[in-house]
Formats: sequence, C-alpha cells, structure tokens
Amino acid sequence: DAKTTQPNSMESNEEEPVHLPCNHSTISGTDYIHWYRQLPSQGPEYVIHGLTSNVNNRMASLAIAEDRKSSTLILHRATLRDAAVYYCILKGRRSNYQLIWGAGTKLIIKP
Amino acid sequence: DTEVTQTPKHLVMGMTNKKSLKCEQHMGHRAMYWYKQKAKKPPELMFVYSYEKLSINESVPSRFSPECPNSSLLNLHLHALQPEDSALYLCASSHRVDDKEKLFFGSGTQLSVL
Repeated sequence: DAKTTQPNSMESNEEEPVHLPCNHSTISGTDYIHWYRQLPSQGPEYVIHGLTSNVNNRMASLAIAEDRKSSTLILHRATLRDAAVYYCILKGRRSNYQLIWGAGTKLIIKP
Repeated sequence: DTEVTQTPKHLVMGMTNKKSLKCEQHMGHRAMYWYKQKAKKPPELMFVYSYEKLSINESVPSRFSPECPNSSLLNLHLHALQPEDSALYLCASSHRVDDKEKLFFGSGTQLSVL
C-alpha cells in the first residue's frame, strides 16, 4: 500500500521560509500528492496538490522530486497563523480516489 | 459560500442513547464524506456518498448509520455506541470523487461516549 512518511514535528522562526519534507517511495505513477493542514480545534484545510511538476498557489509551493519518491511543501514566509499539523497525502486510483494520510508534521512557529 | 457546517459541535451521549450528527454544504458538491479522528492521529475515512448514493463503507460497525437525504445534507445516526467511539467526527465535501478534487472539511463534532 502506498504511504507517506513525515517528521513528527518541526520548528521555524516567524517570517522565515519553512520546508516540510515528505517521503512516498511507493507512490504509483497515477497518484497525486496532496497537502492539507489542520489548525487547532478545526477540520483539515486543503493547501496544495500536484502530480509531477512543481506547483505554486497563494498559500504555498510544492516541490516534487524528479523520481516522485519525495516532495517538499514550502511556506515562503511563515506566520504564527501557520502553526498547524501538516499532512502529506496520496490520492489516486489505487485508493479509490480517497486520501491516504500520512501521520502529519506538527509545525511550531517561534515569534 | 465555501463552508461545510456541522452540528452539534460537541455531543455527550450514553451507550444506550440514539443521536444524530448533521452536516450541510451549499457549494453544489456531489460527494460527501464522514471521517473519524482520534487525538493526535490523522482522520480515518468512514463513508463516502457520491450523487447521494453510498459508494464506500470502510467496514464501519452498524452502530454508525449514514444517510444522505439530498445533495446538501449528510447525517450520521449513532446508536449503542461504545466508549472507544469517542472521537472528533468530521464531515467533508468535494465537487466529485476524483484524484484531483480538493475536500472541504467542517470543524467537526467532538463526541464523548460515557
């Protein structure tokens, strides 16, 4: 079964870039890589997704390795409001198009 | 309106009670989901409805009974629950079931079973 591996937690200083890594060595060629985050006492929130090429949106950037066995979520300038658990997720035909969640990385932002 | 609304926010019930969780969205989404989340764990999929028909049941015990009365509403009926069923229950929706579609989640119902 496809799965993702993430560090349990990471710390960063406010207003600095944050790079959140994810390994997915068993990814299939048709699996999309999704990232969601969950702020305290809230439901998960979509951040970004991609297949092969790097992706940018107003929240973050997603850098995908050429062999697709790893990816990195980049927050360009972290704020205190970005403190959350970030989940790296695979989604594709193998999972009946359902989210296969990683354990998540708890991001701590220091003021 | 990009909200998924869940009620109630908190629920305490005994093992012999019957209660229902409600979820509503007005984004025109045709896929709706129930997830269960234990503390410090990722959400676990329970049920998926696609075009108001149950398409996925992840071997959930029959004491959980989902219902989709129309394209905007999703209910989860609870009966004879166990203390280990205490968790955060999350509802989500998406345009359809697809590998690219993003899910919109509600804030959840925090359920305690005594």
